[in-house]
Amino acid sequence: QVQLQESGPGLLKPSGTLSLTCAVSGGSISSTNWWSWVRQPPGKGLEWIGEIHESGSSNFNPSLKSRVTISIDKSNNQFSLKLTSVTAADTAIYYCAGQYNKAYLWDYWGQGTLVTVSS
Amino acid sequence: QSVLTQPASVSGSPGQSITISCTGTSSDIGTYNYVSWYQQHPGKAPKLIMYDVSNRPSGVSNRFSASKSGNTASLTISGLQAEDEANYYCSSYTTSTTYVFGSGTEVTVL
Repeated sequence: QVQLQESGPGLLKPSGTLSLTCAVSGGSISSTNWWSWVRQPPGKGLEWIGEIHESGSSNFNPSLKSRVTISIDKSNNQFSLKLTSVTAADTAIYYCAGQYNKAYLWDYWGQGTLVTVSS
Repeated sequence: QSVLTQPASVSGSPGQSITISCTGTSSDIGTYNYVSWYQQHPGKAPKLIMYDVSNRPSGVSNRFSASKSGNTASLTISGLQAEDEANYYCSSYTTSTTYVFGSGTEVTVL
């Protein structure tokens, strides 16, 4: 059974850089379509941040593209998110998700990690 | 990119059927059959319940069904049960090679 687990700091100061890692277990990060990051501000809806393929190709939400980097580390079976110049509006639960068995959907999700941006 | 439009809330009594709409544009739902639906209980991660407009993953109840017409997708829950009380989100692939989610619908079982 494929499992995803997010990790990273839970508290950031404004203007800082958010860095999260998603560890994939129970399956190979190289054997699927795309890996994504999705976030959810407290009490609000889901927002797709971006995705990366095991080849290194990536796509991003236009509203976040200038601040987002997603990378993949096949040797450690994980992928990562960096979001620069954070503000309080970036406070959210961040989920990693995978298109493991089929493209264009997310059939595996991490449990999510809350990142709070506050001075 | 704009979010897909869903009703904020839908309610029904146990055993009834409810339908949640998801309205997009010709740049997403209207072009692709890559519409998926996710169920999210409070404090939990989203769970895939429908994909490619009308396909149900293994293990998901057949009380869930979905369809699409033009720029609007719909999710129907029949035989509503207490466990169906959750938030539901649609998602679509877009012509910009990105994804967009719906605004979310809170389902209440009366």
